[in-house]
Amino acid sequence: AQSVAQPEDQVNVAEGNPLTVKCTYSVSGNPYLFWYVQYPNRGLQFLLKYITGDNLVKGSYGFEAEFNKSQTSFHLKKPSALVSDSALYFCAVRDKNAGNYQLIWGAGTKLIIKP
Amino acid sequence: DTAVSQTPKYLVTQMGNDKSIKCEQNLGHDTMYWYKQDSKKFLKIMFSYNNKELIINETVPNRFSPKSPDKAHLNLHINSLELGDSAVYFCATGLAGYTGELFFGEGSRLTVL
Repeated sequence: AQSVAQPEDQVNVAEGNPLTVKCTYSVSGNPYLFWYVQYPNRGLQFLLKYITGDNLVKGSYGFEAEFNKSQTSFHLKKPSALVSDSALYFCAVRDKNAGNYQLIWGAGTKLIIKP
Repeated sequence: DTAVSQTPKYLVTQMGNDKSIKCEQNLGHDTMYWYKQDSKKFLKIMFSYNNKELIINETVPNRFSPKSPDKAHLNLHINSLELGDSAVYFCATGLAGYTGELFFGEGSRLTVL
């Protein structure tokens, strides 16, 4: 069955430190992977996606993510965290073999950046 | 000019009432969705329309009925509201296909008393 796991409910990072938000997935075919961010009382915003090609994908607000096929992971990273990065982050995957375009969503990880 | 707009943003109502939430997009996308986000922030897809045709209908009570009058609009009507319907409902749009990202509205927070 297709699934996405975000193993950490919450990640705490000091401002200026690097951050990582973890995501692992399980699909039967080639995965198309996405990260979204949700600020308080707002809708989700697309950050970045992996479709094919370079395993390191760069996105909005200085975020990047690394696709690792052997570990079935797509961790979100940023070299230097800002307080304004504090938000809820969702990983999502589409499975090309699923026969539809439905996104499978992780449960979300709350990122807290402390000054 | 907001790309995906939902109205109303907040909705407080009594159990048993009927209410509607409207969604409009000006992105020209083929596909529109309704998602429910519960109090634990879990996202659950409810419906998906592609060019006014229903393509995803998850296990949702039939009290929920989506209507797409045209490609730019997808409305959600809820009959006989229950306490458990309290949530934030998000409209989203995207291009059909596997590689496109979704664009979300700001959400409609429904509180059933």
